[in-house]
Amino acid sequence: DVKVTQSSRYLVKRTGEKVFLECVQDMDHENMFWYRQDPGLGLRLIYFSYDVKMKEKGDIPEGYSVSREKKERFSLILESASTNQTSMYLCASTLHAGNTIYFGEGSWLTVV
Amino acid sequence: DQQVKQNSPSLSVQEGRISILNCDYTNSMFDYFLWYKKYPAEGPTFLISISSIKDKNEDGRFTVFLNKSAKHLSLHIVPSQPGDSAVYFCAASPNTGTASKLTFGTGTRLQVTL
Repeated sequence: DVKVTQSSRYLVKRTGEKVFLECVQDMDHENMFWYRQDPGLGLRLIYFSYDVKMKEKGDIPEGYSVSREKKERFSLILESASTNQTSMYLCASTLHAGNTIYFGEGSWLTVV
Repeated sequence: DQQVKQNSPSLSVQEGRISILNCDYTNSMFDYFLWYKKYPAEGPTFLISISSIKDKNEDGRFTVFLNKSAKHLSLHIVPSQPGDSAVYFCAASPNTGTASKLTFGTGTRLQVTL
């Protein structure tokens, strides 16, 4: 079974803090993604990566950055957390374009 | 600009009946469509998909129909079971490039009642 693991399930951070959300997949997938889910807005793509050290902006990259130093790990970074970044963050991966995307369980981030 | 729309935020269906969830899209470049199911506090799980070369795909109780001319797809669940209660997202992809970029709808919350 494909396993996408998000190490932090629930976080509470203060405004202005730097936040790291980590994601690891164990199936040697090439492509990895970060989405956020908000009520009434569905899932929106923040960033994605199709190879190590490669990244592309999604639909809502503002306020975020990413890092992919190893194939299995994709990190989402909030340089200076703000309250409007309170959300559920979902990491996902897929082997190739057109394949099914597998999601992690999600990380609930609250910024106070 | 919402390219994938699920106009019904919620749906209630009696156990044993058919659930029909609808999804509309605007981007004619989309040619691969998926449905995901999401329980609270969990990540979405893949349910069923359909390529634009087909108009129907079936997997057990789940069937997805695609009407390309209307830019509309629907998910049918027959018979509906209480365990089907979840939020359902449709998603679409142009299936081009080196990465799959899925565009998701806003979701429909299905409640299957006894």
